[in-house]
Amino acid sequence: EEQLAQSGAEVKKPGESLRISCQGSGYIFTSFWLGWVRQMPGKGLEWVGIFYPGDSDARYSPSFQGQVTFSIDKSINTAYLQWRSLKVSDTAKYYCARIRCGGDCNPAKNFYYGVDVWGQGTTVTVSS
Amino acid sequence: EIVMTQSPATLSVSPGERVTLSCRASQSVSSNLDWYQQKPGQAPRRLIYGASTRAAGVPARFSGSGSGTEFTLTITSLQSEDFAFYYCQQCNTWPWTFGQGTKVEIK
Repeated sequence: EEQLAQSGAEVKKPGESLRISCQGSGYIFTSFWLGWVRQMPGKGLEWVGIFYPGDSDARYSPSFQGQVTFSIDKSINTAYLQWRSLKVSDTAKYYCARIRCGGDCNPAKNFYYGVDVWGQGTTVTVSS
Repeated sequence: EIVMTQSPATLSVSPGERVTLSCRASQSVSSNLDWYQQKPGQAPRRLIYGASTRAAGVPARFSGSGSGTEFTLTITSLQSEDFAFYYCQQCNTWPWTFGQGTKVEIK
């Protein structure tokens, strides 16, 4: 079964660093685009960004550019979302998501079938 | 960034009723529009991609339509398991953006 398994909940203080993980199984990890989606408490969904594990091509949403970093360890089929200095406003649930798309994952130019696999989410709480 | 606006914010309906959810884009997104369902405490679930293609395993009572800036998700004969939040999402222009969601609740 194709799955994304995310790391557990985190409680951090403002200014601390954090890395959360998303491990893929049941499929060829480097052949599918992945994305991170933020959901703040009681709010809707926002794309943090997307990236391709095969070549580390990445696209960040402007709101998150410079605030987070994507990374990957292909040897263990794991993607990471990292913060260098957390803020209270980073408190949210973060989902990793496998995106079915081709090429540079631009639906205007390549095939695109949406997010077909979701992780269970990682809750990040930042509080002093 | 393209702003997606969903209406209504909340829809109170009875099981068995037909439901129509709307989604409007601030500029054309062609047919690059998805619909996702999310239940409390769960990850979202893909329903529709490409504005009108039902994802694998999604019941036929769910259908999507529209192109350009106006889109609709229709649920015929609402079932108890369909009470949830529904989000549209454009993937035509980066950054991809979601609407604020429509809550479908039991009347």
